[in-house]
Amino acid sequence: IVMTQSPESLAVSLGERATITCKSSQTVLHSSNNKNYVAWYQQKPGQPPKLLISWASTRESGVPDRFSGSGSGTDFTLTISNLQAEDVALYHCQQYYSSEYTFGQGTKLEIK
Amino acid sequence: EVQLVESGGGLVQPGGSLRLSCAVSGFSGSSGFSVSNNYMSWVRQAPGKGLEWVSVIYSGVSTYYADSVRGRFTISRDSSKNTLYLQMRNLKAEDTAVYYCARGVDDYAVFDIWGQGTMVNVSS
Repeated sequence: IVMTQSPESLAVSLGERATITCKSSQTVLHSSNNKNYVAWYQQKPGQPPKLLISWASTRESGVPDRFSGSGSGTDFTLTISNLQAEDVALYHCQQYYSSEYTFGQGTKLEIK
Repeated sequence: EVQLVESGGGLVQPGGSLRLSCAVSGFSGSSGFSVSNNYMSWVRQAPGKGLEWVSVIYSGVSTYYADSVRGRFTISRDSSKNTLYLQMRNLKAEDTAVYYCARGVDDYAVFDIWGQGTMVNVSS
């Protein structure tokens, strides 16, 4: 399954909203449990990735509620509201529907 | 706090081999974090690029690999040492990357704990 992320880079003003999309080449919605097998990660320079969201929309404990995930089937979105300086990072989507797990190519988020 | 600590990276010539290790540190008996009862994966990141999933070993014996490494890389674990391994053979320049080990949550390949990574440089 190919995960296509867009845009490659994004510059947003502080306090504004950032939107990153991820499209899978086939559905990642599992009919047995009606769950979308998509996760989002944040990676700051020199650090490993950090899990933000699983099941397309479930925020991990401790992740600020300005981070939200949405979508179903093949189209997914990560939205960061009220952008803060500490949100500057590389963001990755990932599917775990297939046992050959794949990531998107990443989106670099910067402050405008 | 449980941590994953990778080691074994370095400079190797094309066609060479390396074995990476990922040790669990800060293990708490009550947390029960063992490489044997969790999905454990290797994920790599070439310089300036995105993440690429490499391999996974399930809590049973099943293993899976990305097409780009299948037949050259082998994932394994040692329960007695609580350590995950990645044996890499016939290395190519395109294998140059930071290699991370990561733990899957609740028997899914959603990775909640990552190591700091170890750099592998394949160059003559």
